[in-house]
Amino acid sequence: EAQVTQNPRYLITVTGKKLTVTCSQNMNHEYMSWYRQDPGLGLRQIYYSMNVEVTDKGDVPEGYKVSRKEKRNFPLILESPSPNQTSLYFCASSFQGGTEAFFGQGTRLTVV
Amino acid sequence: GENVEQHPSTLSVQEGDSAVIKCTYSDSASNYFPWYKQELGKRPQLIIDIRSNVGEKKDQRIAVTLNKTAKHFSLHITETQPEDSAVYFCAASLTNTDKLIFGTGTRLQVFP
Repeated sequence: EAQVTQNPRYLITVTGKKLTVTCSQNMNHEYMSWYRQDPGLGLRQIYYSMNVEVTDKGDVPEGYKVSRKEKRNFPLILESPSPNQTSLYFCASSFQGGTEAFFGQGTRLTVV
Repeated sequence: GENVEQHPSTLSVQEGDSAVIKCTYSDSASNYFPWYKQELGKRPQLIIDIRSNVGEKKDQRIAVTLNKTAKHFSLHITETQPEDSAVYFCAASLTNTDKLIFGTGTRLQVFP
């Protein structure tokens, strides 16, 4: 089954404790992205990648890191999480720019 | 950079009525305009998209129109049903990138 898989689905952590949210897709898509969703703000792009070893900043990259060492995986790293990073995070992949983005199930992160 | 504004933020209609959601974008170079539907607790899913070389596209009860001169595009849902109740997001991008900018969303409620 074609899918985008994120882990974990739910995470509660403390300020400053490094964490990684994993994202994997099995559709051989070139493009992958991370978004955060906050009430009243919609979906905002954090980082995107158009190919292996190619990443670029979206609209809200501060406090986040990503890597794209393999085509299928695109982890999101929070080196020192802060409470303002409490949000619902979605990973997405697409065949190329200007095509349907397939979203993962979402990761609800709470930083206390 | 691109900015996408979406209105209204909430919309309530009676079952069978039509619903219209409007978006405006700022970057005249944008050429791909998807619409995503997000049901409560679920991931966003593409329902329809349009490219800048087309003025209108229909898929059963859903249609999207694009006015490039005015830089706005709209989603039209006819004969609404309770299962159309969800949050709808418009977005804009350049097809040679994966930089997708979303609107802030419209919560549509269809009352039986």
